[in-house]
Parts: sequence; structure tokens; C-alpha cells
Amino acid sequence: SQQGEEDPQALSIQEGENATMNCSYKTSINNLQWYRQNSGRGLVHLILIRSNEREKHSGRLRVTLDTSKKSSSLLITASRAADTASYFCATTTGANSKLTFGKGITLSVRP
Amino acid sequence: NAGVTQTPKFQVLKTGQSMTLQCAQDMNHEYMSWYRQDPGMGLRLIHYSVGAGITDQGEVPNGYNVSRSTTEDFPLRLLSAAPSQTSVYFCASRIGQGVYNEQFFGPGTRLTVL
Repeated sequence: SQQGEEDPQALSIQEGENATMNCSYKTSINNLQWYRQNSGRGLVHLILIRSNEREKHSGRLRVTLDTSKKSSSLLITASRAADTASYFCATTTGANSKLTFGKGITLSVRP
Repeated sequence: NAGVTQTPKFQVLKTGQSMTLQCAQDMNHEYMSWYRQDPGMGLRLIHYSVGAGITDQGEVPNGYNVSRSTTEDFPLRLLSAAPSQTSVYFCASRIGQGVYNEQFFGPGTRLTVL
């Protein structure tokens, strides 16, 4: 069964607005990562947050992690049309650090 | 660096045929994985390898076979293709088992089984 589950499944916003995406997971993790996938392409790594970190920033991205609630959120500030893509959270678990993905969120940013 | 490369980009098979999806990386990464992506299901882990000569099963290994004879290559074999294996397949690699390593993905192989 899949570890991560994103919410909402789809999100449509206006350019310039902020986009918030959530991820919940089931078991203890080593880290949590967010990836982006443009239509018809492979996945691109966005940001990684370690299990002992609570917040991390990278450019317009802000990720939070709450291990007590087993949840994470990805905030994209000042969204652009080019941010239109699917976003996936993924967690690494276990001694072999397997990386498993959620089902993804489809973000549409309207110009 | 070419990164992670996959061949072919597209493939159509008939039920019962066999084929190998190729994956190679030139980043000297120890850890490689295969995923399949289906609509509404996200990515599911098929098999992974933590180094040459070592492979293990993921979430959905049935119907697939892997081997890792070199660090660079990680082929995925379908022994007897079934329509349920119609999917987009992604190969990925990362430096090692370390928990702080990002994963790099190939462009994918779109497979249709008739």
C-alpha cells in the first residue's frame, strides 16, 4: 500500500496566489521529499526535509513537517503559470531507505 | 552527464510477449529503482537495487524481473506481458542508501500491452 497521500487531489489557482499542498503518511520516515512532474515528463526533485527538521525553504518553496501528525505541507508562493504540474510527496522508510510515493496533486495555475 | 536514460521511449507488445526495458545512469549511483505510474495511482515501486549484485522487491513486483550486474545498468524484464502491465515505467537512481539523497528520474517508457 502507498505510504503517502496528498490533499487536495487537484488545485486550481490564479497566477500570483499561493498554493498549499498537503501530504499525510502512515509509518515512521527517514525523510520526506516533494517532486514535480510536468505533463509527459519524468519527475524532478524539489526539496527534501529530514525527519528531525520542522521547516525548510528553497526559493519560492516552503516545506513543513509534523512527525507527530505524520503530515507535511508544501507551499509555493507567488505562483506562476509555469508551476502548473503534478506534485508528489515521497517518503523514505526502513533500513534500505525505500522511496515510496503518494498519488499526486494536480496544480493548475491560471495566467 | 546524460543522467538517467531509458530505452525505448514507447513500446507496444502483445499479450504473452517478453521484453526488457533498459535503464542506465552515468552518475556512479549505487541505488537504482523501477516504478510504474498509472492514472490515479501515482508511482508504485516495482523493484530496487542498493548496489551491483543486490536487488529487492518493492510494492508491485509480480510479473517483473530485475538484475544488477553493473553499477550503471538496471534492466527490467517482463517475462510474459499482460494488459495489466500497460503503464508508464520510470527508472530512478540516487547516490546511495543514505537518507538525505535525492532521486533522479529517467524520462520514462510508455508501454502498451494488447
